[in-house]
Amino acid sequence: EIVLTQSPATLSVSPGERATLSCRASQTVSSNFAWYQQRPGQAPRLLIYSVSIRATDIPARFSGSGSGTEFTLTISSLQSEDFAVYYCHQYNDWPETFGGGTKVEIK
Amino acid sequence: ALLVQSGAEVKKPGESLKISCKGSRYSFSSYRIGWVRQMSGKGLEWMGIIYPGGSKTRYSPSFEGQVFISVDTSITTAFLEWNNLKASDTAMYYCARQEDIAVVGDSSRGPFDVWGQGTMVTVSS
Repeated sequence: EIVLTQSPATLSVSPGERATLSCRASQTVSSNFAWYQQRPGQAPRLLIYSVSIRATDIPARFSGSGSGTEFTLTISSLQSEDFAVYYCHQYNDWPETFGGGTKVEIK
Repeated sequence: ALLVQSGAEVKKPGESLKISCKGSRYSFSSYRIGWVRQMSGKGLEWMGIIYPGGSKTRYSPSFEGQVFISVDTSITTAFLEWNNLKASDTAMYYCARQEDIAVVGDSSRGPFDVWGQGTMVTVSS
């Protein structure tokens, strides 16, 4: 099973600042990799798939990068609605797996 | 595209349960449906998926034999079922539609692009 390790567990950021979230895979997942946002009390929402492609209606301030085993989600200028938990997901190998999440909180 | 899940459930240990996930506004039979568990205050856990038309299922080893995933395409609904609930099954359960973005080996893969609102399952004596 591929283990996805997200860091940091919690990220404290001021509104308007940049946030950089990381996800490391225990083995290569090629480009079969996605990021999700989960706000409190809501279902997850797809942000990024295939490492760097924004999903429908996702603002341009969200971007994804990386390859193989190291991936990054960048939020260029945090808005109030971006304070949430973010999960990475690999769909390259069975079973598919999620990372443990990074909580982005207001500094 | 929309996925609407059945309502919250409260059950006793040892009881059976089947929760549902109804798809609409898209071609239901053309997409895989997956199930994801989220225990209180914890992260997302991939449980398994069912292929279009129910032709095949794949389970995480953590859930194999503990749950059963099925689908009834005539009513565009997927199901997650337990035969012997435990207190440790208490969690929020999400269904999600899985897109076809890439081919890996002999199967199509992709992210979960549409999610249900979640079904809270509480198992307590």
